[in-house]
Amino acid sequence: GQNIDQPTEMTATEGAIVQINCTYQTSGFNGLFWYQQHAGEAPTFLSYNVLDGLEEKGRFSSFLSRSKGYSYLLLKELQMKDSASYLCARSNDYKLSFGAGTTVTVRA
Amino acid sequence: EAQVTQNPRYLITVTGKKLTVTCSQNMNHEYMSWYRQDPGLGLRQIYYSMNVEVTDKGDVPEGYKVSRKEKRNFPLILESPSPNQTSLYFCASQNRGSGELFFGEGSRLTVL
Repeated sequence: GQNIDQPTEMTATEGAIVQINCTYQTSGFNGLFWYQQHAGEAPTFLSYNVLDGLEEKGRFSSFLSRSKGYSYLLLKELQMKDSASYLCARSNDYKLSFGAGTTVTVRA
Repeated sequence: EAQVTQNPRYLITVTGKKLTVTCSQNMNHEYMSWYRQDPGLGLRQIYYSMNVEVTDKGDVPEGYKVSRKEKRNFPLILESPSPNQTSLYFCASQNRGSGELFFGEGSRLTVL
């Protein structure tokens, strides 16, 4: 892939906040996607960052720093249904490269 | 309802027997792509298409072919499947304005 790194697993308690970091190669970079994937299901779109800064969508926020090749997904007020894999992906024109995903487990 | 439809959803086949996985989208998107997902490796792009009759290789194109004769359809062809192509395959189409990628439900392929 394009050297996309994200942690393999994270565990958090219901109601807490979790931050999933993603670093990527900056050359030829257009934008950064975050997807959620529940086991056995297709990925679903969470966010697409093109410009630096924080974008908030309800309980989920995504941050991008183009110069640092860094993004994070912030999940607030965690719910049990947030237990899933979270995929970071960088786009280079029409080519899309995914990280291996971060499995988030939410415990009661 | 906006959707991407893949068929078949599940398939078990044998080495060398040509197969096609169909993909159709109803959103009039120009961009479509195919991915395979394997444990520990994440989603890897096989091929993508920017528009009708315009396709290009992704990161893992070996052993696959695609065609884009109509905007709505983007079939994935395995001319001579091998066991290392056993995987979960996803088709996707993209809204280039918002960037959102819509995925099909996936096709689980087993090659014996």
